[in-house]
Amino acid sequence: DVKVTQSSRYLVKRTGEKVFLECVQDMDHENMFWYRQDPGLGLRLIYFSYDVKMKEKGDIPEGYSVSREKKERFSLILESASTNQTSMYLCASSSPSGRINEQFFGPGTRLTVL
Amino acid sequence: GDSVTQMEGPVTLSEEAFLTINCTYTATGYPSLFWYVQYPGEGLQLLLKATKADDKGSNKGFEATYRKETTSFHLEKGSVQVSDSAVYFCALSDHAGGTSYGKLTFGQGTILTVHP
Repeated sequence: DVKVTQSSRYLVKRTGEKVFLECVQDMDHENMFWYRQDPGLGLRLIYFSYDVKMKEKGDIPEGYSVSREKKERFSLILESASTNQTSMYLCASSSPSGRINEQFFGPGTRLTVL
Repeated sequence: GDSVTQMEGPVTLSEEAFLTINCTYTATGYPSLFWYVQYPGEGLQLLLKATKADDKGSNKGFEATYRKETTSFHLEKGSVQVSDSAVYFCALSDHAGGTSYGKLTFGQGTILTVHP
């Protein structure tokens, strides 16, 4: 069974803290994605990576950075957390084979910044 | 740029009612279209997909047809169950290859609640 796992389901941090969200996939997928999910806004792409050490900005990269040192692991970093980064964060992965780009999602991390 | 618009929610239905959730899109070229479902406390799961015009995706009693002429991909189910209560997302994907990387563009999501 394919699997995308995220390091925490729930996280509470203080304003100004550095926050790491980890995502691991076991499907040997090339592409990995970080989204944030907010009510009424759907999912918005923060960053994605198409290969080890490669990254591309998504639609809302401000205040975030990412790291991909190994193919199976993609980390989202909040350098200095702010209250407007309180959200649900979802990681996904996919393989660029063929025309059908199904993405497989992790369970999400609900981050609260106080 | 690409965009997806879903009908406003939330949608509340009684068990065995007919469900339609509207989805329209704007895209260049010929995107693939998806419906994802998110059950309470979980991540998103692919519900169904279609890759070209007039394709019908179907799964678990849900159906959606890729209508290029109306740029739509409406989700339907003939008889909903309480267990269908979830958030439903319509999405489109550019195609992998070149520099597109198969990114998904999502609609805002529609909350469905089914009462016994």
